[in-house]
Amino acid sequence: GAGVSQSPSNKVTEKGKDVELRCDPISGHTALYWYRQRLGQGLEFLIYFQGNSAPDKSGLPSDRFSAERTGESVSTLTIQRTQQEDSAVYLCASSLDGGLGEQYFGPGTRLTVT
Amino acid sequence: DAKTTQPTSMDCAEGRAANLPCNHSTISGNEYVYWYRQIHSQGPQYIIHGLKNNETNEMASLIITEDRKSSTLILPHATLRDTAVYYCIVRVYNTDKLIFGTGTRLQVFP
Repeated sequence: GAGVSQSPSNKVTEKGKDVELRCDPISGHTALYWYRQRLGQGLEFLIYFQGNSAPDKSGLPSDRFSAERTGESVSTLTIQRTQQEDSAVYLCASSLDGGLGEQYFGPGTRLTVT
Repeated sequence: DAKTTQPTSMDCAEGRAANLPCNHSTISGNEYVYWYRQIHSQGPQYIIHGLKNNETNEMASLIITEDRKSSTLILPHATLRDTAVYYCIVRVYNTDKLIFGTGTRLQVFP
């Protein structure tokens, strides 16, 4: 079946503009995660959604970052007033029911802020 | 979450076993060891996880020492397609986020 998909695959934006990144998880997966990966570094956790529970936002780096999820489907990560340090690959993952389950990652969105 | 320490890079000849070490000396009794890998320009891929016992699946084997302070991921017959960054992650049961370090860059050569 289809894996996790993300769009756009690449995004170039000017400093100060807002951007929206989209994630389509695997159908039936209740858990969805966003991570950020700066060049040459490991992944940083940003936010986690599990069913109807309140999301775990503990990884969001500032109040310019927010994310929403519609039911158990699509999620959008929004970055307001982008800064150059926001340049990174943003990865989305989903898992069947969270917990110890394997996380399936999408290909990521490469964001470049000029 | 317990921290992990991995070598920055390793080389392995194609067809040989690749043994990737990981130290997690501060691991707690309820923390699992996970391994993911990331092939260039792709999202990470799950490999294997374990708590106390050694584990094996179609991709790899995971050997965890008796004191659980370290583990080794074994790719029994490395291929060129196994060239990737390998992340060892310690994860508390019923917490869902993965805390990634910088991993080991494994280069498999012909």
